[in-house]
Amino acid sequence: EAQVTQNPRYLITVTGKKLTVTCSQNMNHEYMSWYRQDPGLGLRQIYYSMNVEVTDKGDVPEGYKVSRKEKRNFPLILESPSPNQTSLYFCASSLSLRGQTQYFGPGTRLLVL
Amino acid sequence: SQKIEQNSEALNIQEGKTATLTCNYTNYSPAYLQWYRQDPGRGPVFLLLIRENEKEKRKERLKVTFDTTLKQSLFHITASQPADSATYLCALVPGGATNKLIFGTGTLLAVQP
Repeated sequence: EAQVTQNPRYLITVTGKKLTVTCSQNMNHEYMSWYRQDPGLGLRQIYYSMNVEVTDKGDVPEGYKVSRKEKRNFPLILESPSPNQTSLYFCASSLSLRGQTQYFGPGTRLLVL
Repeated sequence: SQKIEQNSEALNIQEGKTATLTCNYTNYSPAYLQWYRQDPGRGPVFLLLIRENEKEKRKERLKVTFDTTLKQSLFHITASQPADSATYLCALVPGGATNKLIFGTGTLLAVQP
């Protein structure tokens, strides 16, 4: 089944404790991205990747890191999480960007205390 | 400034009626625009894409229009059903060299039986 998976689905952590949210897709997609969704602010893009070893900042990259060492995986790293990073996070992938359907993962709900 | 606006107020309609949702954008020149459906706590699901040279696109009970002069897209659901209740998001890739995908904040549609 074609899908985007994220782990963990729920995470409670404390300020400053490094964490990684994994994202994997099995569709051989080139374009992958991370979004955060907050009430009243909608979906905002954090980082995106056009292909392996090619990443770029979205609209809200501060406090986040990503890597794209393999085509299928695009982990999101929070080196020192803060309470303002409490949010619902989505990973998405598409064959390319322009004119292509984005497939979203199920979401990761993160609470930073 | 650049922005995408969707009606933040919920749209309540009676079953069987046509729902019309609006997406307005400012200071973008998108080559295409997408519409997604999102259910609570889940990732968005792609519905329709319309290109700048297309006036209208249909898929079953769904219809999307794109007016690049008005900088507006309309999303219609005909013969609406309670199962259509969800948040609907529009998204665009800004014109030019950027590879970001920008989402509107979404409109909550509630179809009453």
